Amino acid sequence: GAVVSQHPSRVICKSGTSVKIECRSLDFQATTMFWYRQFPKQSLMLMATSNEGSKATYEQGVEKDKFLINHASLTLSTLTVTSAHPEDSSFYICSARADSAYEQYFGPGTRLTVT
Amino acid sequence: GEDVEQSLFLSVREGDSSVINCTYTDSSSTYLYWYKQEPGAGLQLLTYIFSNMDMKQDQRLTVLLNKKDKHLSLRIADTQTGDSAIYFCAENPGGSARQLTFGSGTQLTVLP
Repeated sequence: GAVVSQHPSRVICKSGTSVKIECRSLDFQATTMFWYRQFPKQSLMLMATSNEGSKATYEQGVEKDKFLINHASLTLSTLTVTSAHPEDSSFYICSARADSAYEQYFGPGTRLTVT
Repeated sequence: GEDVEQSLFLSVREGDSSVINCTYTDSSSTYLYWYKQEPGAGLQLLTYIFSNMDMKQDQRLTVLLNKKDKHLSLRIADTQTGDSAIYFCAENPGGSARQLTFGSGTQLTVLP
């Protein structure tokens, strides 16, 4: 099956700093990538959808200036959490979809802890 | 995931069958999915079913779809301890290839 990687798998940062998370599709070209946030014992909440070469579409209630998404190539999307605060601590998961495909393949997730 | 509902917990004994149920609301969803999430990990696509199918079997996994009742189930035969995980069902509302709506997840615990 298709493989999606995320880096880093775990990060701890101080309040006020910015953190970048990378999502890569390793063996296919992902025209669309999705970023999700998951709180403990809860389902996934879609944050934004990014299409290669265009601006991301953010879900209602997600601050686009705080969660910067860049999808510069068909195999890489990045999520930057700017001026992170403890309430941004969460598990961030990306997924990727190839053009005209209905399957989404998920990365292993990134655990962000803001102290 | 307010539009997709699942029971939160299920416990079964090793070797028994597990049945995880899900109800969804969007009748225009063209695909319905089952994902597995192990602790601290991302989601693994287990299987999916096209909305014009009633049943799909893949080794130990059987998916049943009742489109009239908008009910989806995942049966795991001969459940093993390695099957312990959270299982999410998901639909693609409006038949969209872009976006999935997930259920709240069912925590499956396999007892020895």
